Amino acid sequence: KAGVTQTPRYLIKTRGQQVTLSCSPISGHRSVSWYQQTPGQGLQFLFEYFSETQRNKGNFPGRFSGRQFSNSRSEMNVSTLELGDSALYLCASSPEGQGITTFGSGTRLTVV
Amino acid sequence: GIQVEQSPPDLILQEGANSTLRCNFSDSVNNLQWFHQNPWGQLINLFYIPSGTKQNGRLSATTVATERYSLLYISSSQTTDSGVYFCAVELVGSSNTGKLIFGQGTTLQVKP
Repeated sequence: KAGVTQTPRYLIKTRGQQVTLSCSPISGHRSVSWYQQTPGQGLQFLFEYFSETQRNKGNFPGRFSGRQFSNSRSEMNVSTLELGDSALYLCASSPEGQGITTFGSGTRLTVV
Repeated sequence: GIQVEQSPPDLILQEGANSTLRCNFSDSVNNLQWFHQNPWGQLINLFYIPSGTKQNGRLSATTVATERYSLLYISSSQTTDSGVYFCAVELVGSSNTGKLIFGQGTTLQVKP
């Protein structure tokens, strides 16, 4: 079966702009979570959605938001981009939020 | 908050050598996974192992939940094993469902 698909793979944005990243989970998986990876902070949890509801949120400012659609696809949005938002953004899916977690290939965001 | 500590931070091996990576965690967990991040950034799930021992080819893992540590064994290492290995845990409690906390990783380099 198809894996977790993230689009786009690469993105360059200017400070102050906003960006939307997309994630399609494995078919049948209802939990989608997002992570930010930077050299300084490592892998950090952003938020997790299950059946269109945000169940958990990490310690990030309100500029970071997300949503999940009825088909389990998810988007995350970052508004008013800052240079420090440059990172690899990883999406993951799992059947119920527990058990084996499968990650997508990520979206590498560069803010200039 | 919970601490997830991995050791060693860096490891250089000659092809064919064996190695042991360690993950210590400071609280009770109901989910522990090992991942390998390849040079392109994708996180590949190696093991879902909240307790016990599992083996998959040249890789095996053991988690002793009561003592709050997990070990990843790599035998007969190959150059393709190079990359970063992450341990990730999910705390006990419904409020933590779907939220993985990652260690800082062990960077492995296997030389031919």
